[in-house]
Formats: sequence, C-alpha cells, structure tokens
Amino acid sequence: AQKVTQAQTEISVVEKEDVTLDCVYETRDTTYYLFWYKQPPSGELVFLIRRNSFDEQNEISGRYSWNFQKSTSSFNFTITASQVVDSAVYFCALSYMGKLIFGTGTRLQVFP
Amino acid sequence: DAGVIQSPRHEVTEMGQEVTLRCKPISGHDYLFWYRQTMMRGLELLIYFNNNVPIDDSGMPEDRFSAKMPNASFSTLKIQPSEPRDSAVYFCASRGSSNQPQHFGDGTRLSIL
Repeated sequence: AQKVTQAQTEISVVEKEDVTLDCVYETRDTTYYLFWYKQPPSGELVFLIRRNSFDEQNEISGRYSWNFQKSTSSFNFTITASQVVDSAVYFCALSYMGKLIFGTGTRLQVFP
Repeated sequence: DAGVIQSPRHEVTEMGQEVTLRCKPISGHDYLFWYRQTMMRGLELLIYFNNNVPIDDSGMPEDRFSAKMPNASFSTLKIQPSEPRDSAVYFCASRGSSNQPQHFGDGTRLSIL
C-alpha cells in the first residue's frame, strides 16, 4: 500500500541552526513522484519541490536542499541556517493514481 | 498569473444549513481536487475531477457531501445538511497533466455551530 511517514511531529530549533525533516515512503509503483509542501501559519499550502523516481540527484535551492534515496525510500528536506520565517508545517507527499498521498506533516518552529 | 481561487474565505453557519464552497482552478489545469484539513485527521482528499468528470470520490464522507464541476473553470462542494463535525478548512487544488504539482487555493475555513 502507498504510504508516507513523517515521524517527526514537531521540531524546534534556534535561528541559524540547520534542520532536516525526514520523509519515508512506501510504494509498489516503479515510477512515481515525490513532493514537499509548506504550510505557514497563515494557512495556505505552498508547493516547494517535485522529484521523480528516476532522478536521485540531490537538489539545492538557496537554503533548501533535498536528499532523495531510493535505497532507503526516503526523501529528506534540509533547511540550512534556519530563519524565523521558516516556521511552518511541512508536508511530504507521494503521487499515486493521479492523486497525492500526504504525510501527517512536521511542524517546524524556529525561535529567534 | 492567478492562482486557485476559493470563496468564501470564512464561513460560519448553523447546523442544518446548506453550505456551498466554490473554487476556480488555474486556467489550463485539467485536474481539480477537494481536500479537507482537520487537526484530528490531517489532510484528506475528498474527491477529484479530470476534465470536469469525477474520477475518485471515495473520500467523500457521506451523502451529505456533493461536488460538481459544471465547466473547466468552476467547481462547488456542497454540504447539506451541515453538522458541527464538518468544521474544517477545505482546500481546492488544481494541476496540469503528467504528475505536475498541485497548486492550492487559500482554503475556506468552515465553522458549523
């Protein structure tokens, strides 16, 4: 069965610390896509990244980086030098039959 | 570019009333999704459409919920009669084809008293 697990319910860090959000997925599909979304306190859901199962290269975008490892079925998200504005709930999601299977989210609190 | 537009942003109504939530997807997107988010159950997919046709409504909680997409630029989610347990944030999202990312509206915060 398709499943996304975000074991970290809540993480608290102090500004400028690096933080990694874990995402582990289960799927029987050989071709699939993984996504990360951010939900800030204002409530909207913001798309961050999409990665397909054939591309295991890490991706970096500014302070954000993503590590996709098929061998461990993980798609982890690292924020370098965290800032207060990074405080949000972050969701990992897996594509399946045209829809997304979301994890339960990780709440990140960055304190000044 | 305009994103997904949902209305109203907030709705407060009494139990038993009919509630209609509205969504305008991004132009050119042929998939539309309705989600519900609560603290207890997280993000749940209620139903999704492809080219205005409902594809999977297995997440619709019960017959009190119905969704329509009369054309490519408009969808509604209706609850009749509403109950306090329907209180949640309802999101609409749309995407293009080929596993493109879904883009979400700002949501409708629904409170049933």
